[in-house]
Amino acid sequence: LAKTTQPISMDSYEGQEVNITCSHNNIATNDYITWYQQFPSQGPRFIIQGYKTKVTNEVASLFIPADRKSSTLSLPRVSLSDTAVYYCLVGDSSNDYKLSFGAGTTVTVRA
Amino acid sequence: NAGVTQTPKFRVLKTGQSMTLLCAQDMNHEYMYWYRQDPGMGLRLIHYSVGEGTTAKGEVPDGYNVSRLKKQNFLLGLESAAPSQTSVYFCASSQLAGVQETQYFGPGTRLLVL
Repeated sequence: LAKTTQPISMDSYEGQEVNITCSHNNIATNDYITWYQQFPSQGPRFIIQGYKTKVTNEVASLFIPADRKSSTLSLPRVSLSDTAVYYCLVGDSSNDYKLSFGAGTTVTVRA
Repeated sequence: NAGVTQTPKFRVLKTGQSMTLLCAQDMNHEYMYWYRQDPGMGLRLIHYSVGEGTTAKGEVPDGYNVSRLKKQNFLLGLESAAPSQTSVYFCASSQLAGVQETQYFGPGTRLLVL
């Protein structure tokens, strides 16, 4: 699995846009970029995945530059309920079960 | 469709006691996983299963055993609990393997070993 680096924590206020950048310099050709979200006292849940350019769903957007060595998760107009830990994972569909969640980025949204 | 459920939600053990954590999924997934999460840290894979009747070691398997006698259930056992096993345990399942495949997590079991 490609090694990823993301900020430990970020603070924001309600209504703002939050952008979390994940660095993955040794990403392989077949690797996908996946983000999970974990609320306090809950298990992680999948929020978005992409391979290149931009992906958007009802929860977030994922921006991936052409060299794919980094990616940015964008949370539009955050609310207090978006306070969570966000994990960036990079890998492919090979039989590698050792998903590395790391410490993630703790996003705290304040009123 | 309950997804992934875990039993119990919380347990307190004394050092040396044994217990079994139960994970059940109703999505007919082939792959199941047990993770532990310690305060301020990410998840670490304990054991996993690629199908009924099969299990394999993950990143931190020592002190744990697992069984997958039925496709929908994955049991995690602690034979002789130690304070170092105080943690939150999460079970997950997926249809296929790899980062590209979504893993669905249960709500977690909080275990305190005194």
